[in-house]
Amino acid sequence: DGGITQSPKYLFRKEGQNVTLSCEQNLNHDAMYWYRQDPGQGLRLIYYSQIVNDFQKGDIAEGYSVSREKKESFPLTVTSAQKNPTAFYLCASSRQGTTNNYGYTFGSGTRLTVV
Amino acid sequence: EDKVVQSPLSLVVHEGDTVTLNCSYEVTNFRSLLWYKQEKKAPTFLFMLTSSGIEKKSGRLSSILDKKELFSILNITATQTGDSAIYLCAEKLSGAGSYQLTFGKGTKLSVIP
Repeated sequence: DGGITQSPKYLFRKEGQNVTLSCEQNLNHDAMYWYRQDPGQGLRLIYYSQIVNDFQKGDIAEGYSVSREKKESFPLTVTSAQKNPTAFYLCASSRQGTTNNYGYTFGSGTRLTVV
Repeated sequence: EDKVVQSPLSLVVHEGDTVTLNCSYEVTNFRSLLWYKQEKKAPTFLFMLTSSGIEKKSGRLSSILDKKELFSILNITATQTGDSAIYLCAEKLSGAGSYQLTFGKGTKLSVIP
Protein backbone atom coordinates (compact mmCIF):
# COMPACT_ATOMS: atom_id res chain seq x y z
CA ASP A 1 0.00 0.00 0.00
CA GLY A 2 1.19 3.49 -0.76
CA GLY A 3 1.79 5.82 2.10
CA ILE A 4 4.12 8.05 4.02
CA THR A 5 6.23 6.70 6.87
CA GLN A 6 7.83 8.65 9.66
CA SER A 7 10.33 7.23 12.06
CA PRO A 8 10.87 6.95 14.89
CA LYS A 9 7.49 7.49 16.53
CA TYR A 10 9.08 8.69 19.76
CA LEU A 11 12.48 10.28 20.15
CA PHE A 12 14.36 11.59 23.13
CA ARG A 13 17.29 13.94 22.82
CA LYS A 14 19.65 15.58 25.22
CA GLU A 15 20.06 19.31 25.02
CA GLY A 16 22.81 20.32 22.62
CA GLN A 17 22.45 17.28 20.37
CA ASN A 18 21.32 17.25 16.77
CA VAL A 19 18.73 14.68 15.79
CA THR A 20 17.33 13.61 12.41
CA LEU A 21 13.72 12.62 11.80
CA SER A 22 12.99 10.36 8.86
CA CYS A 23 10.18 10.76 6.34
CA GLU A 24 9.72 8.38 3.39
CA GLN A 25 6.87 8.21 0.88
CA ASN A 26 6.06 5.75 -1.90
CA LEU A 27 3.21 7.75 -3.39
CA ASN A 28 5.34 9.24 -6.17
CA HIS A 29 4.49 12.68 -4.82
CA ASP A 30 6.69 15.54 -5.92
CA ALA A 31 6.16 17.84 -2.97
CA MET A 32 6.98 17.13 0.66
CA TYR A 33 6.53 19.20 3.81
CA TRP A 34 7.51 19.30 7.46
CA TYR A 35 5.18 20.75 10.09
CA ARG A 36 5.55 21.23 13.78
CA GLN A 37 2.54 20.90 16.08
CA ASP A 38 2.45 22.29 19.61
CA PRO A 39 -0.59 22.21 21.91
CA GLY A 40 -2.91 25.05 21.00
CA GLN A 41 -0.72 26.15 18.11
CA GLY A 42 -2.00 24.15 15.18
CA LEU A 43 0.43 23.11 12.45
CA ARG A 44 3.28 25.43 11.56
CA LEU A 45 5.35 24.96 8.40
CA ILE A 46 9.07 24.34 8.91
CA TYR A 47 10.35 23.49 5.41
CA TYR A 48 8.92 22.28 2.14
CA SER A 49 10.28 20.85 -1.08
CA GLN A 50 8.61 20.87 -4.46
CA ILE A 51 11.24 18.88 -6.36
CA VAL A 52 14.38 16.88 -5.70
CA ASN A 53 17.41 18.92 -4.65
CA ASP A 54 15.31 21.98 -3.92
CA PHE A 55 13.61 23.16 -0.74
CA GLN A 56 12.32 26.37 0.82
CA LYS A 57 12.01 27.69 4.34
CA GLY A 58 8.61 27.82 5.91
CA ASP A 59 7.44 30.04 8.73
CA ILE A 60 9.63 28.59 11.49
CA ALA A 61 12.77 27.27 9.80
CA GLU A 62 15.30 28.57 12.32
CA GLY A 63 17.15 25.74 14.06
CA TYR A 64 16.13 23.15 11.46
CA SER A 65 17.68 21.80 8.27
CA VAL A 66 16.46 19.46 5.53
CA SER A 67 17.68 17.68 2.43
CA ARG A 68 15.91 16.27 -0.60
CA GLU A 69 18.36 14.00 -2.38
CA LYS A 70 15.68 11.51 -3.43
CA LYS A 71 12.05 12.03 -4.39
CA GLU A 72 10.95 9.53 -1.75
CA SER A 73 12.82 10.98 1.20
CA PHE A 74 12.76 14.30 3.06
CA PRO A 75 14.64 14.03 6.38
CA LEU A 76 14.48 16.81 8.95
CA THR A 77 17.38 17.60 11.27
CA VAL A 78 16.62 19.39 14.49
CA THR A 79 19.81 21.17 15.44
CA SER A 80 21.04 22.38 18.79
CA ALA A 81 20.19 25.90 17.62
CA GLN A 82 16.48 25.14 17.93
CA LYS A 83 15.59 26.69 21.29
CA ASN A 84 12.43 24.75 22.02
CA PRO A 85 12.49 21.52 20.03
CA THR A 86 10.07 19.47 22.12
CA ALA A 87 7.05 19.04 19.86
CA PHE A 88 5.13 16.72 17.57
CA TYR A 89 6.54 16.72 14.03
CA LEU A 90 4.42 15.84 11.02
CA CYS A 91 5.64 15.11 7.53
CA ALA A 92 3.32 15.37 4.53
CA SER A 93 3.43 14.94 0.79
CA SER A 94 1.28 16.00 -2.14
CA ARG A 95 1.06 15.82 -5.89
CA GLN A 96 2.22 18.86 -7.76
CA GLY A 97 -0.18 21.18 -9.43
CA THR A 98 -3.38 22.87 -8.45
CA THR A 99 -5.69 20.09 -9.61
CA ASN A 100 -5.00 18.03 -6.52
CA ASN A 101 -8.31 17.56 -4.74
CA TYR A 102 -7.04 15.70 -1.72
CA GLY A 103 -4.65 18.10 -0.07
CA TYR A 104 -1.83 16.43 1.77
CA THR A 105 -1.14 12.88 2.83
CA PHE A 106 0.31 12.93 6.33
CA GLY A 107 2.65 10.60 8.13
CA SER A 108 1.87 9.43 11.66
CA GLY A 109 4.29 11.86 13.21
CA THR A 110 7.33 11.81 15.47
CA ARG A 111 7.10 13.06 19.02
CA LEU A 112 10.42 14.60 20.01
CA THR A 113 11.21 15.25 23.65
CA VAL A 114 14.33 17.05 24.82
CA VAL A 115 15.52 15.83 28.20
CA GLU B 1 -1.34 37.69 13.05
CA ASP B 2 -3.00 34.36 12.27
CA LYS B 3 -4.18 33.98 8.71
CA VAL B 4 -6.58 31.14 9.43
CA VAL B 5 -8.66 31.48 12.59
CA GLN B 6 -10.74 28.65 13.98
CA SER B 7 -13.38 28.86 16.66
CA PRO B 8 -14.07 27.65 19.17
CA LEU B 9 -10.67 26.28 20.18
CA SER B 10 -12.33 23.56 22.22
CA LEU B 11 -15.82 22.21 22.58
CA VAL B 12 -17.45 19.56 24.75
CA VAL B 13 -20.81 18.11 23.70
CA HIS B 14 -22.97 15.11 24.49
CA GLU B 15 -23.56 12.29 22.07
CA GLY B 16 -26.36 13.11 19.69
CA ASP B 17 -25.72 16.85 19.71
CA THR B 18 -25.09 18.82 16.53
CA VAL B 19 -21.95 20.95 16.40
CA THR B 20 -20.74 23.71 14.12
CA LEU B 21 -17.07 24.50 13.81
CA ASN B 22 -15.96 27.79 12.30
CA CYS B 23 -13.01 28.80 10.17
CA SER B 24 -12.18 32.24 8.80
CA TYR B 25 -9.35 32.96 6.39
CA GLU B 26 -7.57 35.66 4.46
CA VAL B 27 -8.31 36.23 0.81
CA THR B 28 -4.80 36.87 -0.54
CA ASN B 29 -3.89 34.14 -3.05
CA PHE B 30 -6.79 31.99 -1.83
CA ARG B 31 -7.48 28.87 -3.84
CA SER B 32 -9.46 26.57 -1.59
CA LEU B 33 -10.26 25.67 2.00
CA LEU B 34 -9.62 22.23 3.45
CA TRP B 35 -10.83 20.44 6.56
CA TYR B 36 -8.94 17.63 8.32
CA LYS B 37 -9.70 15.41 11.29
CA GLN B 38 -6.84 14.52 13.63
CA GLU B 39 -7.61 11.79 16.14
CA LYS B 40 -4.27 10.66 17.45
CA LYS B 41 -1.50 11.13 14.99
CA ALA B 42 -1.93 11.79 11.26
CA PRO B 43 -4.61 14.25 10.14
CA THR B 44 -7.03 12.70 7.68
CA PHE B 45 -8.64 14.61 4.84
CA LEU B 46 -12.33 15.49 5.12
CA PHE B 47 -13.29 18.12 2.57
CA MET B 48 -11.88 20.56 0.06
CA LEU B 49 -14.05 23.58 -0.73
CA THR B 50 -13.45 25.80 -3.69
CA SER B 51 -16.79 27.20 -4.73
CA SER B 52 -18.90 29.40 -2.56
CA GLY B 53 -22.28 28.14 -1.44
CA ILE B 54 -21.83 24.52 -2.48
CA GLU B 55 -22.15 22.10 0.40
CA LYS B 56 -19.90 19.09 0.61
CA LYS B 57 -21.36 16.18 2.52
CA SER B 58 -20.06 12.90 3.85
CA GLY B 59 -22.37 10.99 6.15
CA ARG B 60 -23.03 13.08 9.23
CA LEU B 61 -20.40 15.65 8.29
CA SER B 62 -20.96 18.57 5.96
CA SER B 63 -19.13 21.74 5.12
CA ILE B 64 -19.76 24.91 3.20
CA LEU B 65 -17.71 27.87 2.09
CA ASP B 66 -18.70 31.53 1.96
CA LYS B 67 -16.15 33.32 -0.21
CA LYS B 68 -17.79 36.69 0.26
CA GLU B 69 -17.54 36.58 4.04
CA LEU B 70 -14.27 34.57 3.99
CA PHE B 71 -15.32 31.72 6.22
CA SER B 72 -16.25 28.08 6.24
CA ILE B 73 -18.19 25.92 8.65
CA LEU B 74 -18.00 22.23 9.40
CA ASN B 75 -21.19 20.67 10.73
CA ILE B 76 -21.42 17.35 12.51
CA THR B 77 -24.89 16.02 13.25
CA ALA B 78 -25.82 13.29 15.73
CA THR B 79 -22.32 13.34 17.19
CA GLN B 80 -20.71 10.12 18.40
CA THR B 81 -17.77 9.53 20.73
CA GLY B 82 -15.75 8.58 17.66
CA ASP B 83 -16.06 12.17 16.45
CA SER B 84 -13.82 13.28 19.30
CA ALA B 85 -10.76 14.75 17.62
CA ILE B 86 -9.01 17.93 16.65
CA TYR B 87 -10.53 19.42 13.52
CA LEU B 88 -8.11 21.42 11.44
CA CYS B 89 -8.96 24.01 8.84
CA ALA B 90 -6.38 24.99 6.22
CA GLU B 91 -6.22 27.59 3.51
CA LYS B 92 -4.72 26.48 0.23
CA LEU B 93 -2.82 29.26 -1.45
CA SER B 94 -2.07 29.55 -5.13
CA GLY B 95 1.49 29.37 -6.36
CA ALA B 96 3.61 28.54 -9.32
CA GLY B 97 2.92 24.87 -9.94
CA SER B 98 2.41 23.94 -6.35
CA TYR B 99 0.73 25.12 -3.21
CA GLN B 100 1.06 25.41 0.52
CA LEU B 101 -1.46 24.86 3.25
CA THR B 102 -1.73 27.35 6.09
CA PHE B 103 -3.43 25.76 9.08
CA GLY B 104 -5.52 27.21 11.85
CA LYS B 105 -4.93 26.20 15.46
CA GLY B 106 -7.67 23.62 15.34
CA THR B 107 -10.85 22.95 17.30
CA LYS B 108 -10.63 20.19 19.88
CA LEU B 109 -13.99 18.43 19.98
CA SER B 110 -14.82 16.12 22.85
CA VAL B 111 -18.02 14.07 22.62
CA ILE B 112 -19.08 12.53 25.90
CA PRO B 113 -21.58 9.68 26.27
